[in-house]
Amino acid sequence: DTGVSQNPRHKITKRGQNVTFRCDPISEHNRLYWYRQTLGQGPEFLTYFQNEAQLEKSRLLSDRFSAERPKGSFSTLEIQRTEQGDSAMYLCASSLVGGAGSGYTFGSGTRLTVV
Amino acid sequence: DQQVKQNSPSLSVQEGRISILNCDYTNSMFDYFLWYKKYPAEGPTFLISISSIKDKNEDGRFTVFLNKSAKHLSLHIVPSQPGDSAVYFCAASGMDSSYKLIFGSGTRLLVRP
Repeated sequence: DTGVSQNPRHKITKRGQNVTFRCDPISEHNRLYWYRQTLGQGPEFLTYFQNEAQLEKSRLLSDRFSAERPKGSFSTLEIQRTEQGDSAMYLCASSLVGGAGSGYTFGSGTRLTVV
Repeated sequence: DQQVKQNSPSLSVQEGRISILNCDYTNSMFDYFLWYKKYPAEGPTFLISISSIKDKNEDGRFTVFLNKSAKHLSLHIVPSQPGDSAVYFCAASGMDSSYKLIFGSGTRLLVRP
């Protein structure tokens, strides 16, 4: 297992277009998290899944954002009608339940630029 | 409302000396505090954590101290090495079963050879 994999690494899109990112977590991890990081800030929580169930969504996740984790394996994050304010690094992380003190394993992220 | 704050955006230290990175928090309900290290073009990497019931945790060159009365924690790196140069994020979790992390804004550490 090579860790958490995110694709694509970079995405440039025009305002108004839809984009989709993919995250492949560590295979035995049942929790998957999405975070967003903007320049000069720490990562901010967006949403998380336990297996295939999406258990919490941040108020940062507007109606234009949707995340799925079919079959409890990989996850996708889709942004519809992108805006320039969506430009950020989107980070995925995975962990086991009960691992509060063990931290997550993050992927390298997908950098989105909306022009 | 920033619940986790890192007030020093950057820190420069000579190789071999001690690096001390600081973090303050406002919510006394946090269960765990974690430090992550981030290199450019990579995701954050977990470094060390501390439970709220402890005041110190040590792992090799890295030690985290927690002062609950002051709502303050610090990461000590001794001795500092040039490879430690990175952005360090403090994070807190445990208010609920989600284990979602609330991050500070990071401190960029530069260790000079």
